[in-house]
Amino acid sequence: GNSVTQMEGPVTLSEEAFLTINCTYTATGYPSLFWYVQYPGEGLQLLLKATKADDKGSNKGFEATYRKETTSFHLEKGSVQVSDSAVYFCALRGYSSASKIIFGSGTRLSIRP
Amino acid sequence: NAGVTQTPKFQVLKTGQSMTLQCAQDMNHNSMYWYRQDPGMGLRLIYYSASEGTTDKGEVPNGYNVSRLNKREFSLRLESAAPSQTSVYFCASSEGAAAEYFGPGTRLTVT
Repeated sequence: GNSVTQMEGPVTLSEEAFLTINCTYTATGYPSLFWYVQYPGEGLQLLLKATKADDKGSNKGFEATYRKETTSFHLEKGSVQVSDSAVYFCALRGYSSASKIIFGSGTRLSIRP
Repeated sequence: NAGVTQTPKFQVLKTGQSMTLQCAQDMNHNSMYWYRQDPGMGLRLIYYSASEGTTDKGEVPNGYNVSRLNKREFSLRLESAAPSQTSVYFCASSEGAAAEYFGPGTRLTVT
């Protein structure tokens, strides 16, 4: 079945550091891929998405590229801010519209001033 | 456009009490979901509704019931609350193969 594996946290970085959070997936066909962010005390918000191979999703300075050959969708940001401290979830939905979203376990990110 | 709304935001129950969590969406989505999130953990799907009039069990349905009242509304009922049901509950909706959109959550404590 479909599955998502993302790097375990917590991840602690200094402000303005480069961020990578790894995400790999297992799925048949061409799933849609997503990154969600959850700020403390809030619900999950869609951060970015990609629906086909080589697509790059981007939002708020974050980027992720859909790599079919390596079954990966790593989240990157060139210069993190304290306000980026949150939990990040990688997710996929299978190509069938009846497929449910599968979430990774989440990676907690803390940014030091 | 409010997106997905949930009520109440907070609730404290005693063991054995019942309650219903309400969820509504104004995006005309066909699919709706209920998840629970325990401290430091990811999301676990309780129930989902692929379309109005249908509901299906997710990963952790025991102790819960749901009602898809109409296309907009999807409620979650705890008939006899247990301390193990202390959690944050999220409702979400989606259309087709697109992303899910989440509500702000209901923080439930069962004593």
